[in-house]
Amino acid sequence: EAQVTQNPRYLITVTGKKLTVTCSQNMNHEYMSWYRQDPGLGLRQIYYSMNVEVTDKGDVPEGYKVSRKEKRNFPLILESPSPNQTSLYFCASSLFPPRTSTDTQYFGPGTRLTVL
Amino acid sequence: KQEVTQIPAALSVPEGENLVLNCSFTDSAIYNLQWFRQDPGKGLTSLLLIQSSQREQTSGRLNASLDKSSGRSTLYIAASQPGDSATYLCAPGWGQTGANNLFFGTGTRLTVIP
Repeated sequence: EAQVTQNPRYLITVTGKKLTVTCSQNMNHEYMSWYRQDPGLGLRQIYYSMNVEVTDKGDVPEGYKVSRKEKRNFPLILESPSPNQTSLYFCASSLFPPRTSTDTQYFGPGTRLTVL
Repeated sequence: KQEVTQIPAALSVPEGENLVLNCSFTDSAIYNLQWFRQDPGKGLTSLLLIQSSQREQTSGRLNASLDKSSGRSTLYIAASQPGDSATYLCAPGWGQTGANNLFFGTGTRLTVIP
């Protein structure tokens, strides 16, 4: 089954404790991205990746890191989480970037992060 | 920067009604536009994708139109059902200098009353 998986689904942590949210897709997609969703603000892009070893900042990259060492995986790293990073996080993938693609974006189920 | 607005923010209709959800965006130089559905506590499911050269797309009871020059898109839902209750998000694909990304509206929360 074609899918995007995220782990963990729920996480409560404390300020400053490094964490990683994993994202994996099984569709051989080139394009992957991370979003955060906050009430009243909608989804905002954090980082995206056009292919292996190619990553770039989205709208709200501060406080986050990503890596793309393999095509299928795109982990989101919070080196020193702060309470303002409490949010619902989504990973997404598509065969090609939205600019050129007729393909749709596939979203993971979300990770609800609370930073105390 | 691309700004996306969706009106109304919330909508309640009785089952069986036809309805229209609206989306407007500030920069008309988009590559495509997608409509998504989000159920509470769940991820997003793509409903329709319209390329910038197209005027509309249809899938079952859903019809999405795109007027790129005026920066508007609508999602028409025919014969609404309680299972259509969800938040609907519109997302133009847009980018400058090679960045190719989706920009989301805050959504319309639809409730279909049995």
